[in-house]
Amino acid sequence: KNEVEQSPQNLTAQEGEFITINCSYSVGISALHWLQQHPGGGIVSLFMLSSGKKKHGRLIATINIQEKHSSLHITASHPRDSAVYICAVRSGGGADGLTFGKGTHLIIQP
Amino acid sequence: DAEITQSPRHKITETGRQVTLACHQTWNHNNMFWYRQDLGHGLRLIHYSYGVQDTNKGEVSDGYSVSRSNTEDLPLTLESAASSQTSVYFCASRMDRDTEAFFGQGTRLTVV
Repeated sequence: KNEVEQSPQNLTAQEGEFITINCSYSVGISALHWLQQHPGGGIVSLFMLSSGKKKHGRLIATINIQEKHSSLHITASHPRDSAVYICAVRSGGGADGLTFGKGTHLIIQP
Repeated sequence: DAEITQSPRHKITETGRQVTLACHQTWNHNNMFWYRQDLGHGLRLIHYSYGVQDTNKGEVSDGYSVSRSNTEDLPLTLESAASSQTSVYFCASRMDRDTEAFFGQGTRLTVV
């Protein structure tokens, strides 16, 4: 079974700061997802990637397949970015569905 | 717009009762999933389906069942609710493997 570790678990930063959230996994994967969950809200897919880098607005996701590591970056952070960010991986073979990290709780203070 | 909806959003039930949580998607997706989310754990897979009449057990399937009679719906049934099943439940769908997954808003279930 793939083990997915996220760091940090909690992060508080000031508005405008550059944010990095990390995700490591133990077994080779076919895809990695970054998800966002606002308090009391649903889960929104931010990125799905299997190699390289993707950018959407102020969000950037990178993945290093050899090192089994991905990062989610937020540039010019804003209080509305406050949420739980979840990394999830899909491994090849076996039972389907995603294996999720426990999430990183991000608070951006004005 | 296509969407995925869960109902109810909140439910309180008594131990031993049968409970069904609904999940309906209009994406025409083949794959549907049910997860539960608990403090200290990542989301964990309960059951999943690749298409009509197909259902599969996930990591934490004991005490739960699903059925897939059409493409749009995957109801989750708790046969005899237990306090350990108090959780937030999320339904998700995707077209096929390695495509983006879409999640419902979640159902908060409390078993008393």
